[in-house]
Amino acid sequence: NAGVTQTPKFRILKIGQSMTLQCTQDMNHNYMYWYRQDPGMGLKLIYYSVGAGITDKGEVPNGYNVSRSTTEDFPLRLELAAPSQTSVYFCASSPGGREETQYFGPGTRLLVL
Amino acid sequence: GQSLEQPSEVTAVEGAIVQINCTYQTSGFYGLSWYQQHDGGAPTFLSYNALDGLEETGRFSSFLSRSDSYGYLLLQELQMKDSASYFCAAVRGNNRLAFGKGNQVVVIP
Repeated sequence: NAGVTQTPKFRILKIGQSMTLQCTQDMNHNYMYWYRQDPGMGLKLIYYSVGAGITDKGEVPNGYNVSRSTTEDFPLRLELAAPSQTSVYFCASSPGGREETQYFGPGTRLLVL
Repeated sequence: GQSLEQPSEVTAVEGAIVQINCTYQTSGFYGLSWYQQHDGGAPTFLSYNALDGLEETGRFSSFLSRSDSYGYLLLQELQMKDSASYFCAAVRGNNRLAFGKGNQVVVIP
């Protein structure tokens, strides 16, 4: 199993551009999550999904959108990038139910200039 | 809302014991998880406490007191590879995690 994979690893965006961060998991997990981590800080939940076709907002959803058309994929869309979105973005998945462990991808480092 | 408080940095020698504390204030609390993150890496799961008391996993132990909204992670027999940041995270409904700011542990020879 590859686990959770994310692309790209690193990206530089200009203010106002848009992009999609890709996340795929091959563990057949129902639950998937997007977090952002600013320097020296803990992770903050952006969006999450408990299954295909179901998404919901986390703590910091403004400026982002998600979709979940399949169990495996959970892309994160940034529209109109702003410097405040400079961060490291982590995708994670979890089996759900009584299994609370989350498995994280390697992250995408995003710089908005 | 939620908040989780953790002290910022600890330096300790190899073989020592380090305790990382976490106090939390969060709605819909299910339990407390701990994650390790090496510089430039992804968080990896260490332990989870749903009930009060101590959970032991090898050199690492985690404790939870729901009545005090408090938990800690105990790192024993420290090794150089334990140099990392350690995060407590409150587990909420749908396994959502609310992370603390983290505590950097630096292990020196």
